[in-house]
Amino acid sequence: DTAVSQTPKYLVTQMGNDKSIKCEQNLGHDTMYWYKQDSKKFLKIMFSYNNKELIINETVPNRFSPKSPDKAHLNLHINSLELGDSAVYFCASSQDTFGTYNEQFFGPGTRLTVL
Amino acid sequence: ILNVEQSPQSLHVQEGDSTNFTCSFPSSNFYALHWYRWETAKSPEALFVMTLNGDEKKKGRISATLNTKEGYSYLYIKGSQPEDSATYLCAFIPGGGNKLTFGTGTQLKVEL
Repeated sequence: DTAVSQTPKYLVTQMGNDKSIKCEQNLGHDTMYWYKQDSKKFLKIMFSYNNKELIINETVPNRFSPKSPDKAHLNLHINSLELGDSAVYFCASSQDTFGTYNEQFFGPGTRLTVL
Repeated sequence: ILNVEQSPQSLHVQEGDSTNFTCSFPSSNFYALHWYRWETAKSPEALFVMTLNGDEKKKGRISATLNTKEGYSYLYIKGSQPEDSATYLCAFIPGGGNKLTFGTGTQLKVEL
C-alpha cells in the first residue's frame, strides 16, 4: 500500500526537452507539495497545493508548472529543461491545510538527470 | 530567509552508544518543529512534530526535546543500532508561516 507514489523514479533527458513528473497520494490528505533536493542534499519547498489550490509558490523559474487535477494528485511539468534542473524531486502530502502542524509523508523521489 | 542549523553535520558512533544532536532555529516567532529520519535511497519519514515549549516526545529508543525560548531542539538516540544509520532532519515553521524550512541534517553512522 504505497501512501505517496511518484513516477517515474528516474528520468534522463536532453537539455531543452519538456518533461512531467506525476505524484499521487492515497492518504486522503488535503495538501500536497513538491520539494527539490539540491546538490548539497538540502530539501527546499517549491510548491504546495491545498485541495487543488496553489498556496505556496516559491521563487522557482516559471519553466516549472505544477498542476493538481484533484486533491490526490499533484504533477510537475518542466519546460525547456536545463542542466541545473538535475536534482531529486520529492512529492509529499499532509493532512492539515498548511502542512505545518501535521507530519508530511514523502514519496520515493524522482531523480532527474539533464544531459 | 530563516536560519535552521543542525549540528554536528555528521557523526560516527559505535553500536550501543547513546548520542544526541541539535537543531537551532529562530526563537522569536515559533509555531512548530518537525524531525524526520532519512535513510539512504529512501524518502524522509516523520519522527516527531513538536509545538510546545518543553515538549518531550519519544518513539522507541529515539526521543526529542524542545526549547522554543532559546531556539533549539535535541534529538537523542539511546543504545544506537546500525539500523539507526540515517540523516536526521529538522524543519521549522514560524508563526504565521505555511511551509517547512529544513535544516541540512545530521548524518549518523552506527558502526558494529
